[in-house]
Amino acid sequence: KAGVTQTPRYLIKTRGQQVTLSCSPISGHRSVSWYQQTPGQGLQFLFEYFSETQRNKGNFPGRFSGRQFSNSRSEMNVSTLELGDSALYLCASGTGTSDNNEQFFGPGTRLTVL
Amino acid sequence: AQSVSQHNHHVILSEAASLELGCNYSYGGTVNLFWYVQYPGQHLQLLLKYFSGDPLVKGIKGFEAEFIKSKFSFNLRKPSVQWSDTAEYFCAVNARGGYQKVTFGIGTKLQVIP
Repeated sequence: KAGVTQTPRYLIKTRGQQVTLSCSPISGHRSVSWYQQTPGQGLQFLFEYFSETQRNKGNFPGRFSGRQFSNSRSEMNVSTLELGDSALYLCASGTGTSDNNEQFFGPGTRLTVL
Repeated sequence: AQSVSQHNHHVILSEAASLELGCNYSYGGTVNLFWYVQYPGQHLQLLLKYFSGDPLVKGIKGFEAEFIKSKFSFNLRKPSVQWSDTAEYFCAVNARGGYQKVTFGIGTKLQVIP
């Protein structure tokens, strides 16, 4: 089975721009979660999508949004980028069942905001 | 809301030393517990997981963790570390029942000196 893929792997943007990141989950997985990873902060949960519906949301401003398509692929968008948005953005997929929430992670997208 | 505390942010050990990384969570109900590892330059991957049953869980590469419900703890152990165990380790928890997000700890960087 192919793993979770994320594109692009690296991005450099300037403040005020917007960015869209893409995630393709493992085949058969209906849950996709997004995390922001920064040194000293660990993994901060952004949101989770399950069958095209946002099921959980973290404490991030409205500039961070996402969606999921019928094939379970997901995108996240960050508008009006700030310097503090520089981070590794991780996507994880899973079955999404409450008794088995194992997350399978992609390699991440490294976003640098200048 | 659930939360996870990892007590040691940076641990340095010599090869063959024993390892114990602390993890405590706060949530009054039933939980799923995970340890993930991120080797330098690699994806986050699952080390071990606890859903139910035997509280002593064995994972890959000789790691194990013990769930102590009364202490809300899920400490990771390895009797003898190797240089190749140098990585960042993340404890994670999610509440069972309903579709709760997975909450990660801040991570512990382990450096093993040959």
